[in-house]
Amino acid sequence: QKEVEQNSGPLSVPEGAIASLNCTYSDRGSQSFFWYRQYSGKSPELIMSIYSNGDKEDGRFTAQLNKASQYVSLLIRDSQPSDSATYLCAVNLRHGGSQGNLIFGKGTKLSVKP
Amino acid sequence: DGGITQSPKYLFRKEGQNVTLSCEQNLNHDAMYWYRQDPGQGLRLIYYSQIVNDFQKGDIAEGYSVSREKKESFPLTVTSAQKNPTAFYLCASGYGGAHNEQFFGPGTRLTVL
Repeated sequence: QKEVEQNSGPLSVPEGAIASLNCTYSDRGSQSFFWYRQYSGKSPELIMSIYSNGDKEDGRFTAQLNKASQYVSLLIRDSQPSDSATYLCAVNLRHGGSQGNLIFGKGTKLSVKP
Repeated sequence: DGGITQSPKYLFRKEGQNVTLSCEQNLNHDAMYWYRQDPGQGLRLIYYSQIVNDFQKGDIAEGYSVSREKKESFPLTVTSAQKNPTAFYLCASGYGGAHNEQFFGPGTRLTVL
């Protein structure tokens, strides 16, 4: 059973702080990793993609991937109340296996307090 | 204006009725997907299609059907055989391939009365 695990939260951080969201996955051969942001009642929005070990930065967002530990994280610097949302981690199963399937975690709810 | 559209936004169905949810994209994406989201659950894959006139079952295909007659369109029919159809239905599309980035439409919220 392919699994993606996230803490459900809620994770509460003060405005201006760094929010750290974590995700672990079970399929060692997974190739691609994604973070989606989902506001209440809305559809998920892709905010970060990462494919190789290390850090990838985009504005206030940094994704970190460690394939040996099967761990991917999202850091949000200078958190704003508008960042309050549920963050979904998604993992693409290894190429050539169940190609075409993203496996989603249940999401971590982030609350940024003014 | 490029994007993924879904209609209707809200849909109410009586028990025993079939309903069809629309999904259209003008992003020239090859692959299209249908997911279902329930409160407290992750997204679950219903069906996906990587090319016109071909589609595969996902993890929870029972009670659903799809077609892919055009690259731009991937409608989902929720049949009366689906035991618990009330959910938020999300269509996604992407170029497929090894990385498989997917982008979501706005969703359709289906309620069975």
